[in-house]
Amino acid sequence: DGGITQSPKYLFRKEGQNVTLSCEQNLNHDAMYWYRQDPGQGLRLIYYSQIVNDFQKGDIAEGYSVSREKKESFPLTVTSAQKNPTAFYLCASSPRFRGLAYEQYFGPGTRLTVT
Amino acid sequence: DAKTTQPPSMDCAEGRAANLPCNHSTISGNEYVYWYRQIHSQGPQYIIHGLKNNETNEMASLIITEDRKSSTLILPHATLRDTAVYYCIVRAPDSGGGADGLTFGKGTHLIIQP
Repeated sequence: DGGITQSPKYLFRKEGQNVTLSCEQNLNHDAMYWYRQDPGQGLRLIYYSQIVNDFQKGDIAEGYSVSREKKESFPLTVTSAQKNPTAFYLCASSPRFRGLAYEQYFGPGTRLTVT
Repeated sequence: DAKTTQPPSMDCAEGRAANLPCNHSTISGNEYVYWYRQIHSQGPQYIIHGLKNNETNEMASLIITEDRKSSTLILPHATLRDTAVYYCIVRAPDSGGGADGLTFGKGTHLIIQP
């Protein structure tokens, strides 16, 4: 089955620790994205990547880092510098065809709790 | 990307058509209207998108007004599993300058009543 996987579904960490969230896709999509969702709110863009070895900051990149060493993978690290890391994190991917509209496909999400 | 306005919540009886409105009065000529939904604690799911013509797929229909300033998502026979938050998003196609993300507002919480 083609799709996006995120692991783990639930993650608990102590304050001050870095934590890495996994995102893998087998859809052969060039673009990948990380969003954050807080309770009762819409999604906010953290980072996105158009192509391997390239990524750009989104609206709320502070305290986060990413890498894109493989087309299929786009891991997100929540660093200790992120002041409010507890949230629902969603990964997405999409094809890229210049001049065309395309939809994004989302993973099931990882719920991170930092205490 | 243009901003959208949606009602915060709506109810619909099971088996009836659910009509979800969206205003996007500042939409540009090349911006598409997208609809996604998010069932509680899951990732958003793409539903449909359109530019100016009405669109239909196996999930829903999208009706866009002639002036493109508003649209309506129609779920023809709502079921309990359609209870979710529905997001209306407007976005230009990939210009080649960057695949930036979607801008999600708070959406409409659709509750299907048995």
